[in-house]
Amino acid sequence: ETGVTQTPRHLVMGMTNKKSLKCEQHLGHNAMYWYKQSAKKPLELMFVYSLEERVENNSVPSRFSPECPNSSHLFLHLHTLQPEDSALYLCASSQAGAEADTQYFGPGTRLTVL
Amino acid sequence: GQNIDQPTEMTATEGAIVQINCTYQTSGFNGLFWYQQHAGEAPTFLSYNVLDGLEEKGRFSSFLSRSKGYSYLLLKELQMKDSASYLCAVSDSNYQLIWGAGTKLIIKP
Repeated sequence: ETGVTQTPRHLVMGMTNKKSLKCEQHLGHNAMYWYKQSAKKPLELMFVYSLEERVENNSVPSRFSPECPNSSHLFLHLHTLQPEDSALYLCASSQAGAEADTQYFGPGTRLTVL
Repeated sequence: GQNIDQPTEMTATEGAIVQINCTYQTSGFNGLFWYQQHAGEAPTFLSYNVLDGLEEKGRFSSFLSRSKGYSYLLLKELQMKDSASYLCAVSDSNYQLIWGAGTKLIIKP
């Protein structure tokens, strides 16, 4: 039990659909992250919210749009995705400013784009 | 550029010892993490090293040499449940994690 939950666990969508991924952390942390994990590749950091301030990764396509309404919730809005966006999307949280700033992960959403 | 290198795959025998190496080149260093990830599951935190030396935690130990840009994760008394991917990550000067691609560890009976 990591204290970070994600829904849905699996998602299949067409390229014209709009969907959202949800993440919730129950650890009292003040930073949240979205990562993309593709087979045999390093985790790719997509977005960071720290102390409710967004740190944007400029290499993320605009078809991915994050939203962080408060320190416990994080969303990733998806629209007009491409088949190469199929991957495991992981959410994580941490306590920014702590010595180790260890990130704790949710179980991920397995996304398939047809 | 920033880079983390670790072997793609390793195989070991149940009950044995295995060492998974990680080398890194990053802009700044604020610690090195090891995570375990079973197939289809979340990465889970194993260890954190910021000073040189060996940190032992039960069957798992992690070593760091900052001057060499090198770490290893040592797993003793291997069990079948240790079959997983092991991810090495370095916290850089901006406290962002730079990740390796992971080492898939296969345990055979």
